[in-house]
Amino acid sequence: ETGVTQSPTHLIKTRGQQVTLRCSSQSGHNTVSWYQQALGQGPQFIFQYYREEENGRGNFPPRFSGLQFPNYSSELNVNALELDDSALYLCASSSAGTSTEAFFGQGTRLTVV
Amino acid sequence: DQQVKQNSPSLSVQEGRISILNCDYTNSMFDYFLWYKKYPAEGPTFLISISSIKDKNEDGRFTVFLNKSAKHLSLHIVPSQPGDSAVYFCAASDSNAGNMLTFGGGTRLMVKP
Repeated sequence: ETGVTQSPTHLIKTRGQQVTLRCSSQSGHNTVSWYQQALGQGPQFIFQYYREEENGRGNFPPRFSGLQFPNYSSELNVNALELDDSALYLCASSSAGTSTEAFFGQGTRLTVV
Repeated sequence: DQQVKQNSPSLSVQEGRISILNCDYTNSMFDYFLWYKKYPAEGPTFLISISSIKDKNEDGRFTVFLNKSAKHLSLHIVPSQPGDSAVYFCAASDSNAGNMLTFGGGTRLMVKP
């Protein structure tokens, strides 16, 4: 059983650029959620994808967008990067309709300079 | 508006003693609660959960207690071990609103040998 994997692990971008982060969900899981964790804070929910459609969104602007593919992997795209977007981005997979436990990847550390 | 709060940013405990981590929530629609442990440079790891229909759930050294009237839950670790040193996050979800998790800010537990 493969776990949740994210790529890249670290990334440095310039303000105003665009970034794409990737996530492969755990085998058997059909739901992917993305979270942003700023330094010293708990993870904040960005959005969730189920069956390739957005299935809930947190308090993040439209420049945060995502995709889910038929194999349940997912991408998080952030346009017009701002310095405050610097954070650890976490992907979590779960199985809709069963338990609520979500299993997290190791995260992507994004630094915007 | 923080719906899930962990009011103690850090806790120091002697090896072998009990660790008690606390969490308060405000949203009465939350019906499922989880604890995650996070080491540096890793994603959160699921520890234990509890449904709102229960007031206690136990798994080995870890026990979670839920007091719905007080909107309070706690995680007890007995006996504490140095390997338990990590940041612990409390999370909550509303099963009618999908599997999205609302996290507290975390408590850093240090278990001293």
